[in-house]
This record gives sequence, structure tokens and C-alpha cells, in this order.
Amino acid sequence: AQSVTQLDSQVPVFEEAPVELRCNYSSSVSVYLFWYVQYPNQGLQLLLKYLSGSTLVKSINGFEAEFNKSQTSFHLRKPSVHISDTAEYFCAVSTPGRAGNMLTFGGGTRLMVKP
Amino acid sequence: GAVVSQHPSRVICKSGTSVKIECRSLDFQATTMFWYRQFPKQSLMLMATSNEGSKATYEQGVEKDKFLINHASLTLSTLTVTSAHPEDSSFYICSARGGAGGPVNEQFFGPGTRLTVL
Repeated sequence: AQSVTQLDSQVPVFEEAPVELRCNYSSSVSVYLFWYVQYPNQGLQLLLKYLSGSTLVKSINGFEAEFNKSQTSFHLRKPSVHISDTAEYFCAVSTPGRAGNMLTFGGGTRLMVKP
Repeated sequence: GAVVSQHPSRVICKSGTSVKIECRSLDFQATTMFWYRQFPKQSLMLMATSNEGSKATYEQGVEKDKFLINHASLTLSTLTVTSAHPEDSSFYICSARGGAGGPVNEQFFGPGTRLTVL
């Protein structure tokens, strides 16, 4: 069984400040890792993913996450946030080739960017 | 990227009626589709996994007779909430995963359907 823990349910931050949203997972096998963003009353949008290769993955809007196998973490970072980054962020994990690549989600972190 | 649509986006119905929600993969063949529900300010809870042409696999605690899932084609899955009650009010989200030659390693999510049962 696998599980995902997002340590912070809410993260308030001022505009242009850096932010880190933490994600830890547990799994006995290799995993794929994902970050999704959800705006109010909308579905999930894939922000970035780690499948293999470089452990540092980046999105087109300035977010990045680093897969750390020894610490079983996949923290999301952005050096300077904007008001428009206010949203709910979900970390998720799946096991390659198992259960149809079923996703297990963390509880979510609400990022609140203040002016 | 791969696009998944859901219809309707919002539905309000009376208690006791049935509601059908459609999930379509628009530009790829989805061999597997997933249905989630999300309560306010909570994470997504997987309800069931459906593979095209076979019966859905329901998660523990999800009533299969209440939440009927049909995955009759490689681009369409439907979720029918039968005899809906106010406690079924929620945000329902589907996702789709491709088969061989397609987007097999990740799920693509629909925009969600807000169900309100009066």
C-alpha cells in the first residue's frame, strides 16, 4: 500500500515571496509522482510530474519539484509567487504498471497568496 | 495534451431521482477511467476504476448499486447516481488513462461535475 502526506493544510504567503509545499510518500516499490493544482470549482490540472530521469522537474509557470528517494519526498517550490497561484495543490503517487496506475492523493495544501 | 470533458458541469436534482454524468476522452483512447468524489475542502476520494468493456472495480465502502458505472467505449464512461439523496451532493471528477501507444503513465482529469441534491 502507498500513502501520501502533505504536511501543511494551508500555506499563507505574501506575493513575490518564495514558497515550498511539502509532500512525503510511503511505498515499498518505485513510484511515479505528481503535483496537481485545482482552482475553485474546477477539476485538477497537472502541474508537473516525475516518472524517471532527472530528479528535478519544472513546470512552465515557475514551479519545480525535486524527487528525493532517500527522504521519500517530492516538495514543490516556487521562488516568487503571484496572486494567481492561489489554489489548492495536491501531491499524488502511483505505482507503475499496478492497478491501472491508480493515483493516491495527499490531503491537499491550500496556497493563499496575499498582496 | 490529452483532454477529458465532463457533462454536465453542474446539476441540481430532487431527492430520489437519478443523475447521469458523462466523462469523455476527446483526443485519445482511454482504456481505464477513474471516478472520484470530492467533498468541500477535502482531497479526492477514488470511488471506482473502470476498464473498457468490463465491470468497474469499486473501492471499499462505495455502493456499486447506487453508483452505476458504464465504460462502453474507449472514449466514454458514465456514472449514474441512482435514487440520489442530499448526502450524495458532492463534486464528482473523472480521469482517464490511455492504453498502449497512448498516455499510459498518467491520468488526465475532467473539469468536474457539481451535483446538488435537494
